[in-house]
Amino acid sequence: GAVVSQHPSRVICKSGTSVKIECRSLDFQATTMFWYRQFPKQSLMLMATSNEGSKATYEQGVEKDKFLINHASLTLSTLTVTSAHPEDSSFYICSATGTFGNTIYFGEGSWLTVV
Amino acid sequence: DAKTTQPPSMDCAEGRAANLPCNHSTISGNEYVYWYRQIHSQGPQYIIHGLKNNETNEMASLIITEDRKSSTLILPHATLRDTAVYYCIVIITNSGYALNFGKGTSLLVTP
Repeated sequence: GAVVSQHPSRVICKSGTSVKIECRSLDFQATTMFWYRQFPKQSLMLMATSNEGSKATYEQGVEKDKFLINHASLTLSTLTVTSAHPEDSSFYICSATGTFGNTIYFGEGSWLTVV
Repeated sequence: DAKTTQPPSMDCAEGRAANLPCNHSTISGNEYVYWYRQIHSQGPQYIIHGLKNNETNEMASLIITEDRKSSTLILPHATLRDTAVYYCIVIITNSGYALNFGKGTSLLVTP
């Protein structure tokens, strides 16, 4: 299957700072990318959908000024958590789909800990 | 997208077949059934998908009832590494819509 890679896999940052998570499609062009957040023992919650070259569409309750999403190319999307707080600590997962077919593939996920 | 219902948990002995059910009684004609699994602390892994015919790949088989209101994912010879949360999702493909995850079934494969 297609490969989606996230970086970093784990990051610790201080409260009030910003942190960027990258999501790359390694062997296909990702026309649409999705960002999810997952708290312990809970299911994945969709944060936003982004199409290459367009502004992201955020789910209700997700602050677009806090979670900045950029999808500037067909192989890269970034999620920047701005002014991070301890309650932003979570597992962030990206997924992507392209022109190759019907399936959505997921990255390995990124653990964010805000201290 | 159609809502799905899965049992919260199941056990399976190693080497035996694991049969994971999913109800999707409100599925529409152009919605596919997808199965993903999530092993602890990893991103979801695609397993298989189908529209109305049964499907098989190297990981699993997908059996969809004739009325398409339910399906079963079959892991023919479960191993300890198959312990994970399994998600059944129905979606119109190529729609640009994201996968919406329910609570899934937590499968525990025991020695």
